[in-house]
Amino acid sequence: KNQVEQSPQSLIILEGKNCTLQCNYTVSPFSNLRWYKQDTGRGPVSLTIMTFSENTKSNGRYTATLDADTKQSSLHITASQLSDSASYICVVSPSPERAAGNKLTFGGGTRVLVKP
Amino acid sequence: DAGVTQSPTHLIKTRGQHVTLRCSPISGHKSVSWYQQVLGQGPQFIFQYYEKEERGRGNFPDRFSARQFPNYSSELNVNALLLGDSALYLCASSPERVGKKLFFGSGTQLSVL
Repeated sequence: KNQVEQSPQSLIILEGKNCTLQCNYTVSPFSNLRWYKQDTGRGPVSLTIMTFSENTKSNGRYTATLDADTKQSSLHITASQLSDSASYICVVSPSPERAAGNKLTFGGGTRVLVKP
Repeated sequence: DAGVTQSPTHLIKTRGQHVTLRCSPISGHKSVSWYQQVLGQGPQFIFQYYEKEERGRGNFPDRFSARQFPNYSSELNVNALLLGDSALYLCASSPERVGKKLFFGSGTQLSVL
């Protein structure tokens, strides 16, 4: 069964500090790995998308890394702000040959709370 | 340009009832996907429609059905509601059938009592 596991489940950090979120997946073969930010009660918003050949992708203070050999990804948040409080979801898309369109596999998310 | 719009934003139903959720994709997007997100968990894929045809189906019972209209808007129908159907239902649109550009709406929060 294709799975995406994220850790930690939740995280509290002080404003201005950095943090790193982890994602392990078993989806294989895969087309791309995405990180989304989801505010409470809202839909997810894309932060980064990486194919298997990409090792890192940045979007402002967010930097995602990917190790396709170990099937691990991380999302690093630099100089956190109060607005970073949200759930961060790791999403894996199977290869196009097997994918039924947008049948993405979502992780359970990491809930980040940034405190002043 | 308007993003993906979903209606209603909140809905309360009782067990056994049916519900219809609506989604309007971003202008020009021909693909609409539906996801169910139970509190504290990641979204689960329900359906994808592209060019008015079903292109993918997740592991959900036949009580769940959907359709896409000529203007590419979509409806998700759930019959014989169960307590476990309480969730945030997300709609996502994309210009392609299989693509990286997936945009989510804010969802419909369904509560089944």
